[in-house]
Amino acid sequence: GAVVSQHPSRVICKSGTSVKIECRSLDFQATTMFWYRQFPKQSLMLMATSNEGSKATYEQGVEKDKFLINHASLTLSTLTVTSAHPEDSSFYICSALRERGGPSYNEQFFGPGTRLTVL
Amino acid sequence: GNSVTQMEGPVTLSEEAFLTINCTYTATGYPSLFWYVQYPGEGLQLLLKATKADDKGSNKGFEATYRKETTSFHLEKGSVQVSDSAVYFCALRDLNSGNTPLVFGKGTRLSVIA
Repeated sequence: GAVVSQHPSRVICKSGTSVKIECRSLDFQATTMFWYRQFPKQSLMLMATSNEGSKATYEQGVEKDKFLINHASLTLSTLTVTSAHPEDSSFYICSALRERGGPSYNEQFFGPGTRLTVL
Repeated sequence: GNSVTQMEGPVTLSEEAFLTINCTYTATGYPSLFWYVQYPGEGLQLLLKATKADDKGSNKGFEATYRKETTSFHLEKGSVQVSDSAVYFCALRDLNSGNTPLVFGKGTRLSVIA
């Protein structure tokens, strides 16, 4: 099946620093990737839709200047949490949309998530 | 807009008990329906899916039937195991509306005790 990786899996940083999270589709190309945020014991909240070669589309209430998304290639999207604060601590999950070919056509595949802790 | 409502947890069952997790949806189009599972400390995994009315998705002993008349996609398993302890998410996606993302329910935490 299709594989999506995320790096790092866990990160602890100091307040005020920036953290970059990478999401890669390892065996398929993905024009579209999604970034979700999951609070403890809650559902996944869609933050933004990342489109290769164009600007990301952010959901209402998500600060685009704080959560910078770059989708520079068909296999890589990055989420940078700028000037992180303790309230940004969360589990961030990316998802890549397989848009071409195979039995999993048009299916979303999820990365394993990145747990961010801001001290 | 599209939305998913699933039963609140947590659900605690003894091993070999019967499991039902209710899920209903609201959609403007004709969505595909999914159940995802999240084991402790891990990411989401697709458990099963159904793409049209009356389809039954099944995997690992779990099954769910796409009921258009009741807009439901309830998850069932006849005999749960301790290893089934996880959070289960019902989700929908309208495959005919471009590259729209999955819409998730709030998740139901299942704990199975020996």
